Amino acid sequence: EAGVTQFPSHSVIEKGQTVTLRCDPISGHDNLYWYRRVMGKEIKFLLHFVKESKQDESGMPNNRFLAERTGGTYSTLKVQPAELEDSGVYFCASSQAQGRGGYTFGSGTRLTVV
Amino acid sequence: GENVEQHPSTLSVQEGDSAVIKCTYSDSASNYFPWYKQELGKRPQLIIDIRSNVGEKKDQRIAVTLNKTAKHFSLHITETQPEDSAVYFCAASMGGYQKVTFGTGTKLQVIP
Repeated sequence: EAGVTQFPSHSVIEKGQTVTLRCDPISGHDNLYWYRRVMGKEIKFLLHFVKESKQDESGMPNNRFLAERTGGTYSTLKVQPAELEDSGVYFCASSQAQGRGGYTFGSGTRLTVV
Repeated sequence: GENVEQHPSTLSVQEGDSAVIKCTYSDSASNYFPWYKQELGKRPQLIIDIRSNVGEKKDQRIAVTLNKTAKHFSLHITETQPEDSAVYFCAASMGGYQKVTFGTGTKLQVIP
């Protein structure tokens, strides 16, 4: 089975620009999560979709971050405008309904804001 | 919300020795505790998990223990090999599809 795919793998943008990250979960996985790891710290939760609905967005840092999952398939995470502190690795993960078996992570997008 | 603390942040062991990573959690409602291994430049991968109705689980050289009363759980790697070198994350969740709260990671280095 194909894994969780993230695009791009790396992105370098200037402060104030916009970046959109994409995640394609494993087919059939209703649950899709976005996480971020900043500067060697913990992997921090951003938000959780169940199909196309936002189940929990308590980890979104501010309104510069917008996540969507139209049609319950792939998801995008847009940062607009980007700030220096947004730099980090953004991970997407997916899991089956009821979350059995833990997450499958994507390879992440390394975002650098300069 | 849940808070997971992980120690040590770095750990160096000689090949063949054992490695132990310890975590604590704050929310007594958490009942699912996965461990992830992230090799350099790669994705975090689930290596073992334990649910709250079990005190210990083993998978070859890896074992996890859980003390629900003390809210502690630990990862034990025996007979370490160079390929065990990676960052290990503990995590806690209320299970189902609930979000997972991660610890800060332990960078394990196995010295040949």
